[in-house]
Amino acid sequence: DTGVSQDPRHKITKRGQNVTFRCDPISEHNRLYWYRQTLGQGPEFLTYFQNEAQLEKSRLLSDRFSAERPKGSFSTLEIQRTEQGDSAMYLCASSLAQGPWETQYFGPGTRLLVL
Amino acid sequence: AQKVTQAQTEISVVEKEDVTLDCVYETRDTTYYLFWYKQPPSGELVFLIRRNSFDEQNEISGRYSWNFQKSTSSFNFTITASQVVDSAVYFCALSEADRGSTLGRLYFGRGTQLTVWP
Repeated sequence: DTGVSQDPRHKITKRGQNVTFRCDPISEHNRLYWYRQTLGQGPEFLTYFQNEAQLEKSRLLSDRFSAERPKGSFSTLEIQRTEQGDSAMYLCASSLAQGPWETQYFGPGTRLLVL
Repeated sequence: AQKVTQAQTEISVVEKEDVTLDCVYETRDTTYYLFWYKQPPSGELVFLIRRNSFDEQNEISGRYSWNFQKSTSSFNFTITASQVVDSAVYFCALSEADRGSTLGRLYFGRGTQLTVWP
């Protein structure tokens, strides 16, 4: 069983450019999460999907951020008009939510550097 | 307010020493879940353990053990006979449950960087 995969693993962009990240969850996992982690901090929740539906968005997710999971499988996270403050590791996790028993499994992350 | 506090930013030990990583959490929910994850230098978070609020039994898995105490809102993690491969950042996390179902998001502490020297 393959784990969560993310692409690209690293991205360097100039301020003002748009970037898009992809996450492929563990097959048959119905939930998919996005987190952001800055240096020296723990991951912070951004948003999550159950199947195709986006169930919750953090206040951290400004209007420049948008996430989709169109067919309930892979997900994309787009950042428009990037700012230097967007530099971080973007982590994706997936889980099989069956009542209270849920464990999130994380991908390797996409490290973004905005110059 | 921080829901999960890991007061130890960095810990250094010599191989074969025992080490305990502290985690204190804060929640008003009666049903919640606690987790520990390991983040090696490669960056990927590796799941170690999940505990629900109704199960205060301590757990041991090989060299790892966890001590959950609701009275002090703590969920501490001990590595016995540490090894160099244990060097990583360790995160404690909390998920709050609504009517028995997880709400989804995890609240992470800031992590403890553990360095094990040979």
